[in-house]
Amino acid sequence: GESVGLHLPTLSVQEGDNSIINCAYSNSASDYFIWYKQESGKGPQFIIDIRSNMDKRQGQRVTVLLNKTVKHLSLQIAATQPGDSAVYFCAEKYSGGGADGLTFGKGTHLIIQP
Amino acid sequence: DTEVTQTPKHLVMGMTNKKSLKCEQHMGHRAMYWYKQKAKKPPELMFVYSYEKLSINESVPSRFSPECPNSSLLNLHLHALQPEDSALYLCASSQGSLQAFFGQGTRLTVV
Repeated sequence: GESVGLHLPTLSVQEGDNSIINCAYSNSASDYFIWYKQESGKGPQFIIDIRSNMDKRQGQRVTVLLNKTVKHLSLQIAATQPGDSAVYFCAEKYSGGGADGLTFGKGTHLIIQP
Repeated sequence: DTEVTQTPKHLVMGMTNKKSLKCEQHMGHRAMYWYKQKAKKPPELMFVYSYEKLSINESVPSRFSPECPNSSLLNLHLHALQPEDSALYLCASSQGSLQAFFGQGTRLTVV
């Protein structure tokens, strides 16, 4: 079964607003987390990652927050743009397992309204 | 070059056909992966190659046969597939245990 993913299928936001996409994971051994963006007909595109020794990491217009106590991960997108429309997946793994592959959450479809 | 290239982009095959999906990366990554993604679902891990050796097979049926000819190439040989095997097949690579870079996928339709 899936060990990652708080299922919120669709999130609709106004252009220019901030978006917050949430994800829960259940595997306590997971210590590495990634957010991917997948546009229609394309492969997943890396957005940002975070290790379990951090609780926040910022990129360009994106911030990932990790709460290990409640096993929760979130992706914040500032000033959303039409190009942000996509499905967003969180993924997790235990980095000590080497090339183990990723376990993906169910995904959230972000819709940007003009 | 941070690209993973997959060919073909689209493939339609009959249930008695044999076909192959190809994946190539030139980032020097030593781990390569095959994932399967059904519509409106997340990618699911199929196989992992580490240093050109198969390290993980997620109980994938034998009609899917992976091959890693060298550190830059990964193939997925298909034989006697079923219509339910229709999906987007994604290849990825990574350096060690960190983030994986994905290709654009092959959209497979089995008729």
